[in-house]
Amino acid sequence: DAGVTQSPTHLIKTRGQHVTLRCSPISGHKSVSWYQQVLGQGPQFIFQYYEKEERGRGNFPDRFSARQFPNYSSELNVNALLLGDSALYLCASSFGQFYNEQFFGPGTRLTVL
Amino acid sequence: DQQVKQNSPSLSVQEGRISILNCDYTNSMFDYFLWYKKYPAEGPTFLISISSIKDKNEDGRFTVFLNKSAKHLSLHIVPSQPGDSAVYFCAASANTGNQFYFGTGTSLTVIP
Repeated sequence: DAGVTQSPTHLIKTRGQHVTLRCSPISGHKSVSWYQQVLGQGPQFIFQYYEKEERGRGNFPDRFSARQFPNYSSELNVNALLLGDSALYLCASSFGQFYNEQFFGPGTRLTVL
Repeated sequence: DQQVKQNSPSLSVQEGRISILNCDYTNSMFDYFLWYKKYPAEGPTFLISISSIKDKNEDGRFTVFLNKSAKHLSLHIVPSQPGDSAVYFCAASANTGNQFYFGTGTSLTVIP
């Protein structure tokens, strides 16, 4: 079975640009969560989507948005990129919405210059 | 503010000995805890979980202990193996269990 996949693997953008990151969950999983991990820190929760609806949001500005599609894949969008948005963006999928083991993808490394 | 803390950035242990990784939390509403292992260039991999109704959970060489009064949990790995060398994150969730707060990680090195 395929695990969680994310694309692209690496991305370089300049300040002010917009970026879209993509995630495909494990087959049968209906929940997708997004995390930001900056160097030396643990992952920070950005969003959870379950059954195509936003079910949780972390402490991130409105420049961050996401959506989940009918096939449960998800996109994370970040507008007006700042240097501080440089990080590893992780996607995690789980079967249910609550108290479920989360399976992480390998992440997308975003560098903002 | 960091609600989940791992105060030891790194730990070195001899192969075959016990590895003990510690994690402290500040939010008394946290009721579900997990440990993840992360290798370079990979996403975190789930290891073991524990809910607040228990104080211990075991899975093979891995045991997690929860001390609710001290707001402290620990992961014991016995015996430690070189393949256990990785960064270990603890994570916690409150009430709904859909938003996880992660610690900053402890880098474990198991010396052959």
